Amino acid sequence: DVKVTQSSRYLVKRTGEKVFLECVQDMDHENMFWYRQDPGLGLRLIYFSYDVKMKEKGDIPEGYSVSREKKERFSLILESASTNQTSMYLCASSFGHQETQYFGPGTRLLVL
Amino acid sequence: EDKVVQSPLSLVVHEGDTVTLNCSYEVTNFRSLLWYKQEKKAPTFLFMLTSSGIEKKSGRLSSILDKKELFSILNITATQTGDSAVYLCAVSVRYQLIWGAGTKLIIKP
Repeated sequence: DVKVTQSSRYLVKRTGEKVFLECVQDMDHENMFWYRQDPGLGLRLIYFSYDVKMKEKGDIPEGYSVSREKKERFSLILESASTNQTSMYLCASSFGHQETQYFGPGTRLLVL
Repeated sequence: EDKVVQSPLSLVVHEGDTVTLNCSYEVTNFRSLLWYKQEKKAPTFLFMLTSSGIEKKSGRLSSILDKKELFSILNITATQTGDSAVYLCAVSVRYQLIWGAGTKLIIKP
């Protein structure tokens, strides 16, 4: 079974703090994705990565950065958290050219 | 702009009813359409459809794709309270997925 894990299920941060969300997958998948999910808006892609040290902007990259130093690990960084970044953050991975993405359990982030 | 639209946004039915969820899309470079189920956690994969007219089935769930009219439906027969969830539709464009907003399905006992 594919396993995608995320470092925290719930996180509360203050405005201006730097926030790290980490995602690890154990299936040697090349592709990894970070989404945020807000009610009524579905999943919106923040960043994705096709390979180690490679990253591509998604639809809403502003205010975020990512790091992929190892194949199994993809980190999302909020440089200076703001209240409008309060959301559910979902990490996903997929293999090569396959479309099916497998998701982690999500991190619910609250920025006060 | 690539777009995936799901309807209805929410649906409340009684246990035992049959429901049909809709997903329409307008995208360039269509590769496949995927359905996911999301309870209070991560979305879990249900089906991937690539060819028109071929039904995919898993227990009480089934889905079909119409590439001419650009839509898919997800049917759930003899619904159970455990089917309560948000059902997400996504279209694969190259290596990315374009997501609909989801249909929230509530099954009342």
